[in-house]
Amino acid sequence: KAGVTQTPRYLIKTRGQQVTLSCSPISGHRSVSWYQQTPGQGLQFLFEYFSETQRNKGNFPGRFSGRQFSNSRSEMNVSTLELGDSALYLCASSLGTSNQPQHFGDGTRLSIL
Amino acid sequence: AQSVSQHNHHVILSEAASLELGCNYSYGGTVNLFWYVQYPGQHLQLLLKYFSGDPLVKGIKGFEAEFIKSKFSFNLRKPSVQWSDTAEYFCAVNRDYGGSQGNLIFGKGTKLSVKP
Repeated sequence: KAGVTQTPRYLIKTRGQQVTLSCSPISGHRSVSWYQQTPGQGLQFLFEYFSETQRNKGNFPGRFSGRQFSNSRSEMNVSTLELGDSALYLCASSLGTSNQPQHFGDGTRLSIL
Repeated sequence: AQSVSQHNHHVILSEAASLELGCNYSYGGTVNLFWYVQYPGQHLQLLLKYFSGDPLVKGIKGFEAEFIKSKFSFNLRKPSVQWSDTAEYFCAVNRDYGGSQGNLIFGKGTKLSVKP
């Protein structure tokens, strides 16, 4: 079956702009989690959505937000972009319980100029 | 706060050498443990997982890991590495909420370079 699909693969933005990233989970998966990956901080959890509701949230500012649609697809939005937001943003989907592994997409590489 | 420590940032081995990558976590309750691998240019893939039962778990490509609860450790092992094992390895932990998906806490990763 198709894996987790993230679009776009690459994005270049300037400071102050906003951006929306998209994630299509594996068919049947209702949980979508977002992570930020940087060389300095590694992989950090942003938030998780399950059945259109945010179920868990990491320690990121309110500029980072997300939503999930009824078909489980998810979007992540970052407003007022800062240079430090440059990172690889990963989406992962799962069946939704903590003992189910998460399956990751290829990520969206966001560069802020 | 929970944390996951991977002891080695970069490991360099020759083919056929044995591998052990260390992972320790800080949470004292019931946890689920994972090892993920990221091959160059590819997405993160699950190597193996531990939820309960036998603390020695076997994963794909000949990898195994042992959960030692008293040491809060989940070390990854492979008896004989191959050049194709060159990748970055991540240990991850989440708390077992008894049904709800907890967020995954990742270690900083260990880069493994295998010399042919």
